[in-house]
Amino acid sequence: KQEVTQIPAALSVPEGENLVLNCSFTDSAIYNLQWFRQDPGKGLTSLLLIQSSQREQTSGRLNASLDKSSGRSTLYIAASQPGDSATYLCAVLTDSWGKFQFGAGTQVVVTP
Amino acid sequence: DAGVTQSPTHLIKTRGQQVTLRCSPKSGHDTVSWYQQALGQGPQFIFQYYEEEERQRGNFPDRFSGHQFPNYSSELNVNALLLGDSALYLCASLAQGNYGYTFGSGTRLTVV
Repeated sequence: KQEVTQIPAALSVPEGENLVLNCSFTDSAIYNLQWFRQDPGKGLTSLLLIQSSQREQTSGRLNASLDKSSGRSTLYIAASQPGDSATYLCAVLTDSWGKFQFGAGTQVVVTP
Repeated sequence: DAGVTQSPTHLIKTRGQQVTLRCSPKSGHDTVSWYQQALGQGPQFIFQYYEEEERQRGNFPDRFSGHQFPNYSSELNVNALLLGDSALYLCASLAQGNYGYTFGSGTRLTVV
């Protein structure tokens, strides 16, 4: 059974610092991995999708890496801003039909 | 282009009642999945619908049922509500062969 773990559960940084969010999964047989952002009480916004054959994806200040062999992904957010405050969720696609297994998320607070 | 639309946004029900939540997928998407997200946790997979049939199901009791219509929209029904059913219910859609999910904003269900 696939299990996804995100560490740390919460993180607080001053504005301008780089953020490093970690995600680990137990079964390396994944189709892809997706990072989502969730604001309080809201739905999920997709940030980056990494296909199983890829090593990383970049979008603006965001960069995500994927190491399937070690079961790890890392989301980097450069030069953090207060608007980056949210919960970040990692999800792995476990089958070709589209079933995701989510981590519990990392709650990020960026202080001005 | 409208994304995934869910209704209602908030709902309060009494224990033992029944509830129906609705989801309209993103244009061009034919597959709908439902997730339950309890406070402070990651979303948990309930089930997925494709071609008007339940294709796979997570570890949820039979009180949770669903339906998909010919226009790909979907309903989630929960019978005999329990306090523990209080959660954010998320609908996600994708097009077959494209594993990038689009999530709706969710329905917040409170059972009292």
